[in-house]
Amino acid sequence: AQRVTQPEKLLSVFKGAPVELKCNYSYSGSPELFWYVQYSRQRLQLLLRHISRESIKGFTADLNKGETSFHLKKPFAQEEDSAMYYCALRGGSYIPTFGRGTSLIVHP
Amino acid sequence: DTGVSQNPRHKITKRGQNVTFRCDPISEHNRLYWYRQTLGQGPEFLTYFQNEAQLEKSRLLSDRFSAERPKGSFSTLEIQRTEQGDSAMYLCASSLARIGGEQYFGPGTRLTVT
Repeated sequence: AQRVTQPEKLLSVFKGAPVELKCNYSYSGSPELFWYVQYSRQRLQLLLRHISRESIKGFTADLNKGETSFHLKKPFAQEEDSAMYYCALRGGSYIPTFGRGTSLIVHP
Repeated sequence: DTGVSQNPRHKITKRGQNVTFRCDPISEHNRLYWYRQTLGQGPEFLTYFQNEAQLEKSRLLSDRFSAERPKGSFSTLEIQRTEQGDSAMYLCASSLARIGGEQYFGPGTRLTVT
């Protein structure tokens, strides 16, 4: 079985502060991990995936197999980063499992 | 707009009625997914198609739910004898059938069962 845990429902920071959105997973094999973002009144969209090892909009995420984590980080938060963030895992099938999401609010 | 589209965007129905939602994927995408999302939760997988074949269904998909993708293009999701617990956002996504294929989501259909 595959499971994704996002322990924080809400994360509130001030502009310029570092941000870390936590994601822990449970899966016995080698998973694909993703972060999706949903801005207000917009559709869910892919932010980044672990296999790409890229930085998108200043966000990075490193897959830590030892800790089974895929935390999303940004060194300096911007107001436009305010959104819902979902961590997702895809195992052997093509079916992703999503976490419940973390609402990030960046205050001016 | 060449993205995934869903119709209707909102549906209010009375308990016991049948409803049908439509999803039009990105034209070259051969995989199509349906999800349900309730308040405070992430999307929950319901079913997916590769071309016209329905390859997997979640245990969440009771007998009252049926999905089709008759020509491998658009898809419909029907809920029969709706219950208040069916109230949710129903999301559709499409992707190419390849490893790492990104899913593109539609705007969703919000169903309210009164």
